Amino acid sequence: DIQMTQSPATLSASVGDRVTITCRASEGISGWLAWYQQKPGKAPKLLIYEASTVEPGVPSRFSGRGSGTEFTLTISSLQPDDSATFYCQQYHSFPYTFGQGTKLEIK
Amino acid sequence: HLQLQESGPGLVRPSETLSLSCSVSGGSMSGDTHYWGWIRQSPGQGLDWLASLHYTGNTHYNPSLEGRVTITADMSANQFSLRLSSVTAADTAIYYCVREFGYWGQGILVTVSS
Repeated sequence: DIQMTQSPATLSASVGDRVTITCRASEGISGWLAWYQQKPGKAPKLLIYEASTVEPGVPSRFSGRGSGTEFTLTISSLQPDDSATFYCQQYHSFPYTFGQGTKLEIK
Repeated sequence: HLQLQESGPGLVRPSETLSLSCSVSGGSMSGDTHYWGWIRQSPGQGLDWLASLHYTGNTHYNPSLEGRVTITADMSANQFSLRLSSVTAADTAIYYCVREFGYWGQGILVTVSS
């Protein structure tokens, strides 16, 4: 199985900050990576697929980069509504696997 | 707009089989080239992919479930199902049905307890 490792596990930042979350794959997955945002009591919401393609309707402050084994999700200017847990997922090969999550707190 | 809705019992006894269904509306499963699947989230934990099914009949399962899981579809009814046998307390989770990757059901909490 491909292991996905996210960092940091928790993150505290202020409104307006630029925030970056990293996801590393244990082997190359090309660009087959998705990012999700999950708020308490809700299903995850797709933000980005194919590593850098932003899902329609997702605010432009969210962006993704990377290929191979290292990927990043960046929020260019943090907003109060961005408080959530973020997950990466590889879909290069089955079994699909997720990172353990990054909990983002707004100071 | 595609919508998915899980249904099934909220309580399952240990050693029994968990059965869930996912009804799809706003689109047709047959001919949709994406995979349909199930993902679960144990209380306070991360996301675990369980199984996926393609309209061609291809299926994929998480080997960590050691053969306990089956995913099937009834394309004419526009729904698909999950069966997980020999459940234990460790299978207590919110179960989500999904269409890769942007469409998720609201989730259904299944508790395994006697």
